Amino acid sequence: KAGVTQTPRYLIKTRGQQVTLSCSPISGHRSVSWYQQTPGQGLQFLFEYFSETQRNKGNFPGRFSGRQFSNSRSEMNVSTLELGDSALYLCASSLMGSNNEQFFGPGTRLTVL
Amino acid sequence: AQSVTQPDIHITVSEGASLELRCNYSYGATPYLFWYVQSPGQGLQLLLKYFSGDTLVQGIKGFEAEFKRSQSSFNLRKPSVHWSDAAEYFCAVGAGTGFQKLVFGTGTRLLVSP
Repeated sequence: KAGVTQTPRYLIKTRGQQVTLSCSPISGHRSVSWYQQTPGQGLQFLFEYFSETQRNKGNFPGRFSGRQFSNSRSEMNVSTLELGDSALYLCASSLMGSNNEQFFGPGTRLTVL
Repeated sequence: AQSVTQPDIHITVSEGASLELRCNYSYGATPYLFWYVQSPGQGLQLLLKYFSGDTLVQGIKGFEAEFKRSQSSFNLRKPSVHWSDAAEYFCAVGAGTGFQKLVFGTGTRLLVSP
């Protein structure tokens, strides 16, 4: 069974631009979560989607948004990029989204110049 | 609020020696606890998890962890470390609806010396 895939793997943007990252979960998984990883703040939870609904949300500004499609694929969007948004963005999926472990993708490395 | 503390930022262990990585959590109810490993430039791989039941949990790659409610700890152990175990290790607690909001510790970087 294929793992979680994330596209693109690397991305370079400039301040003020917006970016969309994509995540395809493991087949049959219905929950998708997003995390931001930086050297200073570590791993921080962004949000989780289950059956196309945002079910959990972290403490990030409204510039960070996401959505989930009927096939469970998910996208996250960051608008008006800031230098501090440079990070590794990790996507994770789980089977039923409750009491299940999450399986992580390789991440998208975003650099904001 | 839920939190996870990993007090050791770096640990160096000789190859073949035993390993223990510390993790303390703060959570109001019975926690769902995880250990993940991350190699450079990679995503996170689940080593083991604790949901309930036996407090000694076996994982992949020869790792185990013991849940101690009285100490709010979930320490990771391995009896004999291999050079390939060098990586960063993260302890996490599941929170939020469905326990899908993982709250991570700051991580412990393991270095393995020959």
